Amino acid sequence: GAGVSQTPSNKVTEKGKYVELRCDPISGHTALYWYRQSLGQGPEFLIYFQGTGAADDSGLPNDRFFAVRPEGSVSTLKIQRTERGDSAVYLCASSLTGRLGQETQYFGPGTRLLVL
Amino acid sequence: EDKVVQSPLSLVVHEGDTVTLNCSYEVTNFRSLLWYKQEKKAPTFLFMLTSSGIEKKSGRLSSILDKKELFSILNITATQTGDSAVYLCASLPPNDYKLSFGAGTTVTVRA
Repeated sequence: GAGVSQTPSNKVTEKGKYVELRCDPISGHTALYWYRQSLGQGPEFLIYFQGTGAADDSGLPNDRFFAVRPEGSVSTLKIQRTERGDSAVYLCASSLTGRLGQETQYFGPGTRLLVL
Repeated sequence: EDKVVQSPLSLVVHEGDTVTLNCSYEVTNFRSLLWYKQEKKAPTFLFMLTSSGIEKKSGRLSSILDKKELFSILNITATQTGDSAVYLCASLPPNDYKLSFGAGTTVTVRA
């Protein structure tokens, strides 16, 4: 596609529910990243995929968070037993090869998650 | 811990004014500094700066990096209401892919 797309654009859920957030990267980009942005803050790194594998998931806050990218393109971020503190904008980005320290990451429009 | 600090936190200007946004970084390893414009939700890439003292320019926007003093500035001349957004800067280490963002500067341009 022309850019990174994310669905849904907004998600409201209740505390304790399970949610899935989807990211479709720029066509041909092998590297995919998830970030989380709380109100008034810059985005914070969650996880990085190189192809199908999660090369670095050190930013995931706890084991309620999990992400997959089974075919090396679309990725899904999954949050179990959601808590109010999970409310944030979840941003996905992609880059061409993931070459360290050199590539621009292009961001999608994000999913705004609100946990009531 | 890497730290990226942006100033001011917010500013309000009138159309036609020039704004200067600051980004300072304290990072153990530095390779590049990136600027993004965030309207609503999506951060849109503006510049990637790697070399000190070389200005990058795109229309009314320009940016420069000072690796000795560890800061970058983003200038917007002849501002328009469409420039209203949050401007984010981020550092990128040489052997990493994790962007470390500042909290952003909110720019409001009034007609």
